[in-house]
Amino acid sequence: ETGVTQTPRHLVMGMTNKKSLKCEQHLGHNAMYWYKQSAKKPLELMFVYSLEERVENNSVPSRFSPECPNSSHLFLHLHTLQPEDSALYLCASSQELGQGYEQYFGPGTRLTVT
Amino acid sequence: QQPVQSPQAVILREGEDAVINCSSSKALYSVHWYRQKHGEAPVFLMILLKGGEQMRHEKISASFNEKKQQSSLYLTASQLSYSGTYFCGTELNDYKLSFGAGTTVTVRA
Repeated sequence: ETGVTQTPRHLVMGMTNKKSLKCEQHLGHNAMYWYKQSAKKPLELMFVYSLEERVENNSVPSRFSPECPNSSHLFLHLHTLQPEDSALYLCASSQELGQGYEQYFGPGTRLTVT
Repeated sequence: QQPVQSPQAVILREGEDAVINCSSSKALYSVHWYRQKHGEAPVFLMILLKGGEQMRHEKISASFNEKKQQSSLYLTASQLSYSGTYFCGTELNDYKLSFGAGTTVTVRA
């Protein structure tokens, strides 16, 4: 148990669907992250939030839309996805945004786009 | 600038030792090490800071060679629970972590 939870754990969606991934951290951290983990590829940073403000969009297509309503919750809204978007989506948090802070990961949402 | 991890995979018997390397072509501020078991969250093991000391997590230790921009993770007297995929994450001059492709460790009885 890392203190970061994600729901749902598994999601299957069609290319025309709209769905959302949820992340919640119980650590009192101020920074939150979304990563994509595809088979045989390194973790890819998608978005970074610090104190509910987005500070990084790592060239992510607009079909992925993040939302951070408060420092404990992070959402990733999905619409009109492509099959190549199938992957494990990981949420992480750190105490602050800056150098030298370890990140704590949630268990991820396994997304399959059909 | 993703770091390069080696080896890609290693198979050990309980009690054996192994070393995993993580190299970067850029000057690093820190190196983070994580372990991920199948279907679970990556778990933070330790962080090596520039100019810092060698770190340890149980019987797993790591070092950071600033001259070579390389970190090594040492699995000593391996246990079955050490099985998983080990990732290094490198930090340059900002908050972003770039992760290596991972090293799959299998420890057999």
